[in-house]
Amino acid sequence: GENVEQHPSTLSVQEGDSAVIKCTYSDSASNYFPWYKQELGKRPQLIIDIRSNVGEKKDQRIAVTLNKTAKHFSLHITETQPEDSAVYFCAATLNTGRRALTFGSGTRLQVQP
Amino acid sequence: DGGITQSPKYLFRKEGQNVTLSCEQNLNHDAMYWYRQDPGQGLRLIYYSQIVNDFQKGDIAEGYSVSREKKESFPLTVTSAQKNPTAFYLCASSISGGGTEAFFGQGTRLTVV
Repeated sequence: GENVEQHPSTLSVQEGDSAVIKCTYSDSASNYFPWYKQELGKRPQLIIDIRSNVGEKKDQRIAVTLNKTAKHFSLHITETQPEDSAVYFCAATLNTGRRALTFGSGTRLQVQP
Repeated sequence: DGGITQSPKYLFRKEGQNVTLSCEQNLNHDAMYWYRQDPGQGLRLIYYSQIVNDFQKGDIAEGYSVSREKKESFPLTVTSAQKNPTAFYLCASSISGGGTEAFFGQGTRLTVV
């Protein structure tokens, strides 16, 4: 099955700096890569996703890049703000067989004002 | 807000008792999922269902059971065979299995004493 590794587990940045979270996946058949944000005590919510036929996707201050050859994808947050503080999860899914998201272990991002 | 409801939000049970967690969605989604969330371990897949009357085991199915008799409902039973049941349980649904956004419920925090 799919295995997703996520780094770092914790990340502290100053407000206005950029933050980068990286994930690697094991199954080359994976074709969908979402990122979820979970604020304390709340449910995970999708912030951006990318499919295997695209190398990069951007939505305002957040972007995701995908390297299929190396089997890794990254979340980039620019001009970080205190409200970006949360736990971020990457995930991957196959398009055949077990069609359910496999999640990374999460990154706790702290943006210092 | 998302159309997927879990109840109750907090649940306490004595060791050795079975307990059922409710998950209902009104999004007309075919696929539903149960994840377990422990600190530092991300979201781990317990069971998933891509269609009514069908479900598959995830990575940590031992000690759990599910049913999918209706499209809207996917209850999870935590049995006495689950060795460490205290955790935060998240239910999710998506239009179809695999490469589509998963919407999460607000979660149920189960404490077994």
